[in-house]
Formats: sequence, C-alpha cells, structure tokens
Amino acid sequence: QQQVKQSPQSLIVQKGGISIINCAYENTAFDYFPWYQQFPGKGPALLIAIRPDVSEKKEGRFTISFNKSAKQFSLHIMDSQPGDSATYFCAASSGDKIIFGKGTRLHILP
Amino acid sequence: SQTIHQWPATLVQPVGSPLSLECTVEGTSNPNLYWYRQAAGRGLQLLFYSVGIGQISSEVPQNLSASRPQDRQFILSSKKLLLSDSGFYLCAWASQGISNYGYTFGSGTRLTVV
Repeated sequence: QQQVKQSPQSLIVQKGGISIINCAYENTAFDYFPWYQQFPGKGPALLIAIRPDVSEKKEGRFTISFNKSAKQFSLHIMDSQPGDSATYFCAASSGDKIIFGKGTRLHILP
Repeated sequence: SQTIHQWPATLVQPVGSPLSLECTVEGTSNPNLYWYRQAAGRGLQLLFYSVGIGQISSEVPQNLSASRPQDRQFILSSKKLLLSDSGFYLCAWASQGISNYGYTFGSGTRLTVV
C-alpha cells in the first residue's frame, strides 16, 4: 500500500517529441506528489510537484496530470531536448516520508 | 538560503572496515533528515530518517546505523562493511512541512566496497 509504481523503466524519445512517464499509487492518504530529476553522479532535484486537489500543473515544458479517482499521475515533457536526458522519479508523500517510484531512464535522441 | 553538505564525494573501502558518512544542513533549524541508498541503475531506498536530535527511524534492517548528534548533523555508520553496501548514498533534508517543499538532496557519496 506504500508503493508507488512507475513505468516505463526506460524511454527513448526523438528531440522535439513528447516524453510521458506514468505512475500509480494505492495509499489514498498521500497528499503530495513530486517529480525528481537526476543526472548521473548527482543527487535528485525537485522538478515539479502537485497536490491531489489539482488535476494538472504546468511549469514550462513540464506538466503533471493527476487523476485522483484512478490514483494515477503522469509527467509530460513537451518539446523534449537532449538536455532532458536523465532519470526521473515520481514520488508520493504523507507525513514525514516520501515514497519513490523505481525511476525512468529517459534518453532524448538529438 | 538553505544548503546541504555531504562528504566525502567518493570512498573506496575494504570489506570489514568501518564507515562514517556525514551530512550537515545550513540555514534552517529542526529539519527532517534522511539517508537514502541508490544501487547502480536502481531506485532510491530509504535507510533512516530523523525528525529530531537523537530520534532515528530505521526502514531497512542491515549492518548500517545512523545518528543525529546535533540538530543539523546526520551521520551514517557501519562497524564492518559488506560488499553489498556499495552504492550511492544520498542525504536529504525537509522542513517540517514536507508536503509544501519536498526534499532537498545532497550531492551524494559514491561508496565502493572492495
């Protein structure tokens, strides 16, 4: 019940395309859903986050879509660029801990 | 502004040797502190977290331990390292309002046990 399931494990997208990463959760007590971006050899960095009372949040080329009834949320990266190549983690939180998905390794072809 | 420091950046240790990794946070008080481990190409495994001095919650039974001797200092230790302890160790902090700001991670320590 504490898990956050993330797919796909890896993703290859052409430059300029849309990258989509999906996540699902079970625990309805989660009240905060962040996405983290991690480059090789670096710590993850907060990219964008959403709360369950909002269905969509957009920041630049990054959009979170949130479906509370289905307990699913996704990250869309519009106009994907080679600099977006990284590992992306979805996560969910209630209380003092954040539970992470297993990550998606995204590679944008130039 | 708040900053998190983690050291060393890389470490090569023989099997059976002790370990001490340190993490400190500046610019905030009474943070929540976390230790995560990331195996090569894998996800983030929560090892320990602390909501105050001397308060440690362990998530995974293993030969590692954590301590919080000061408000903004978090230490990860082992008395005898195993090969399976190799990985990328990340410290993170969060304000008490975790659902407002999420975590901020340090730059990590790459530990190789040989």
